Amino acid sequence: KAGVTQTPRYLIKTRGQQVTLSCSPISGHRSVSWYQQTPGQGLQFLFEYFSETQRNKGNFPGRFSGRQFSNSRSEMNVSTLELGDSALYLCASSPDGRGGTTQYFGPGTRLTVL
Amino acid sequence: AQTVTQSQPEMSVQEAETVTLSCTYDTSESDYYLFWYKQPPSRQMILVIRQEAYKQQNATENRFSVNFQKAAKSFSLKISDSQLGDAAMYFCAYRSAGGATNKLIFGTGTLLAVQP
Repeated sequence: KAGVTQTPRYLIKTRGQQVTLSCSPISGHRSVSWYQQTPGQGLQFLFEYFSETQRNKGNFPGRFSGRQFSNSRSEMNVSTLELGDSALYLCASSPDGRGGTTQYFGPGTRLTVL
Repeated sequence: AQTVTQSQPEMSVQEAETVTLSCTYDTSESDYYLFWYKQPPSRQMILVIRQEAYKQQNATENRFSVNFQKAAKSFSLKISDSQLGDAAMYFCAYRSAGGATNKLIFGTGTLLAVQP
């Protein structure tokens, strides 16, 4: 099976712009989670989608949003970009949300905000 | 709220030697899962090992093993016969067993260097 894919891999934006990141989970996986990784804050949970429904959300402002499509692909959107949004954005997929099912991570999207 | 603490920002080990990375966590839950993830320079997070809290037996995956002390809320990772390819950032992570969520709570990571 193909692994989790994320596009684009690198992105440069300027303050005030908006950006959309995409994540394609492993075939058959219905759960997609997003994480932000920065040197200062480490790895922080953004949100999680399961069968097109957001079922958990981290402590991020409303500028961060996401959605999941019927084929389980997920997108996250950040509006009105700030310098502090520069980060590696990781998505992870798993078959479902039960128990200790393993989450498989994608390679990440490196977002730079100038 | 649950927290995960990794008190060793950096560690170094000689090739073929053994190294132990520390992790402590805080939770009021009785059922949960603990994980060690490896993040090499490529930034791809890779699951190294996982532990189910209700299992007393420590998990083992080839050269990787854990020392899980539930009462002490400690979850250390031992890497035996270290190899150059083990050099990476290692993250300890916690996940609740209850509720419908895959949310992982990560520690701050330990950067492991392997000296030839």
